[in-house]
Amino acid sequence: DVKVTQSSRYLVKRTGEKVFLECVQDMDHENMFWYRQDPGLGLRLIYFSYDVKMKEKGDIPEGYSVSREKKERFSLILESASTNQTSMYLCATGLPVAFFGQGTRLTVV
Amino acid sequence: RKEVEQDPGPFNVPEGATVAFNCTYSNSASQSFFWYRQDCRKEPKLLMSVYSSGNEDGRFTAQLNRASQYISLLIRDSKLSDSATYLCVVRGRSNDYKLSFGAGTTVTVRA
Repeated sequence: DVKVTQSSRYLVKRTGEKVFLECVQDMDHENMFWYRQDPGLGLRLIYFSYDVKMKEKGDIPEGYSVSREKKERFSLILESASTNQTSMYLCATGLPVAFFGQGTRLTVV
Repeated sequence: RKEVEQDPGPFNVPEGATVAFNCTYSNSASQSFFWYRQDCRKEPKLLMSVYSSGNEDGRFTAQLNRASQYISLLIRDSKLSDSATYLCVVRGRSNDYKLSFGAGTTVTVRA
């Protein structure tokens, strides 16, 4: 079974903090993705990576950056957290079928 | 217009009933279609792919209508464990990295 592990299930951060969300996959997949999920809006793609050190913007990259130094690890960085970044963040790997991590529910206060 | 649209529901059905719902997509060049299931506070998981000729997986039947640009999911003999949100997922070309997700249709099966 594919295993996608996100570093935290729940996080509470203060406005202006720099926040790191980590994701590790064990299936040697080239493609990795970060989504956020908000009620009524579905999953929206923030960034994706198709290879080590390669990254592409998704639909809503503003306020976020990513890092992929190793194939198995894809990090999402909130440069300066804001309350409108309170959301569920989901990491995924694989195409055409996506396998998701368990999600990180981030609250910015 | 959203790329993928779903009726949010909820669809409240008794055990044993049949429930069906659709999803429409805007990109006529879309190539791949999927249904994912998401339980409350859990991650989405693949339920089934949707093939051009339609396909079944046990009590679940998926259909694709390219002319009208929608896919459907039908659940027969509903179980309590079928209660979940069902996400419609569409991929453009075969080399497209992006998956487009619907916001989900919530199904609640009651005893």
